[in-house]
Amino acid sequence: KQEVTQIPAALSVPEGENLVLNCSFTDSAIYNLQWFRQDPGKGLTSLLLIQSSQREQTSGRLNASLDKSSGRSTLYIAASQPGDSATYLCAVVKFPGTYKYIFGTGTRLKVLA
Amino acid sequence: DVKVTQSSRYLVKRTGEKVFLECVQDMDHENMFWYRQDPGLGLRLIYFSYDVKMKEKGDIPEGYSVSREKKERFSLILESASTNQTSMYLCASGDGYTFGSGTRLTVV
Repeated sequence: KQEVTQIPAALSVPEGENLVLNCSFTDSAIYNLQWFRQDPGKGLTSLLLIQSSQREQTSGRLNASLDKSSGRSTLYIAASQPGDSATYLCAVVKFPGTYKYIFGTGTRLKVLA
Repeated sequence: DVKVTQSSRYLVKRTGEKVFLECVQDMDHENMFWYRQDPGLGLRLIYFSYDVKMKEKGDIPEGYSVSREKKERFSLILESASTNQTSMYLCASGDGYTFGSGTRLTVV
């Protein structure tokens, strides 16, 4: 059974730091991996989607990489800002066509001004 | 901009009531999903649908049912609400998920 782990569970950094969030999954036979952001009491916002043939995706200050063989993905946030404070979740799906994502429990990030 | 709309942000219902949670998407997606999110348990899949009138059970379907009469609308039904169904309910659609803003349901 696929398990998705995110470490650390919580992170507090000063503004301006570059930081890395980690996501590990036990079954490397995944199809897609997606990173989301969730603000308190709100729904999830998609940040980056890495499809099976890709190794990374970039959007603005965000970069996500995927290493399927080692069962890991990292989300890199450059020059962090207080507005980046949120919970970040990763999710994986195994088969094309099913799109049933399995979610990690998230990393709660606080960026201090 | 693509949108997934959940009809209510907050709901308070009584034990035993039949509860309908509505989700509408405007992206012509075939796939739609219902999750619940609880502290310490993360997101868990309740039901999903790949097409109109089609539904499949997720990991925790007990106490729930769904309806998909039109492609854009996917409804989650709590047949007889119980206090352990107090949770945040999240609807998603698409191959790469787009989520609604969530419904915080409290059953008293």
